[in-house]
Amino acid sequence: LAKTTQPISMDSYEGQEVNITCSHNNIATNDYITWYQQFPSQGPRFIIQGYKTKVTNEVASLFIPADRKSSTLSLPRVSLSDTAVYYCLVVMNRDDKIIFGKGTRLHILP
Amino acid sequence: GAVVSQHPSRVICKSGTSVKIECRSLDFQATTMFWYRQFPKQSLMLMATSNEGSKATYEQGVEKDKFLINHASLTLSTLTVTSAHPEDSSFYICSALGQPGSPLHFGNGTRLTVT
Repeated sequence: LAKTTQPISMDSYEGQEVNITCSHNNIATNDYITWYQQFPSQGPRFIIQGYKTKVTNEVASLFIPADRKSSTLSLPRVSLSDTAVYYCLVVMNRDDKIIFGKGTRLHILP
Repeated sequence: GAVVSQHPSRVICKSGTSVKIECRSLDFQATTMFWYRQFPKQSLMLMATSNEGSKATYEQGVEKDKFLINHASLTLSTLTVTSAHPEDSSFYICSALGQPGSPLHFGNGTRLTVT
């Protein structure tokens, strides 16, 4: 099981780019890296998934270095509604258990 | 995109009664589903992993006779909290894993309050 470590909390301002880094030193060859956003009293919402290099979608980018021991979620031009907890997960195909780390509590200020 | 429906979203029950929570994958088949529990301002805690057609695998400290999990089809898993007590009050979240390489998708959670 790949354990993940993220900063406990981060603050930023509206309009800024926010980068949240997750370390997963013992990631295995078949593992994917997935990021989720969670608001209070809601289930986690999928943001982005990647295996290596860079992935971009309409809401975020995911940067994964060659050794894959870390990943960085990049949120461009955040708004107040991006205040949430962000989790990175390392998921293997047909994993027998998927464990959450503590996540990063992102607080966007006006 | 892939959707996981969880029902009910909120339930209040009396101590000693049982509550069933349903988790459905709406547009994909999920051979594996996971059940989590979350306390306020804490991360999700894995309770059990269920594979379609087989018994669930429970995490250490989770009573299998209290939290009954059934994964009878590729699109439905249920969690039944039996003989509920106030300490079982929590936020329960299910998730489902589909095709290889596809992301894990989550239900919107069930807020259980036991009085």
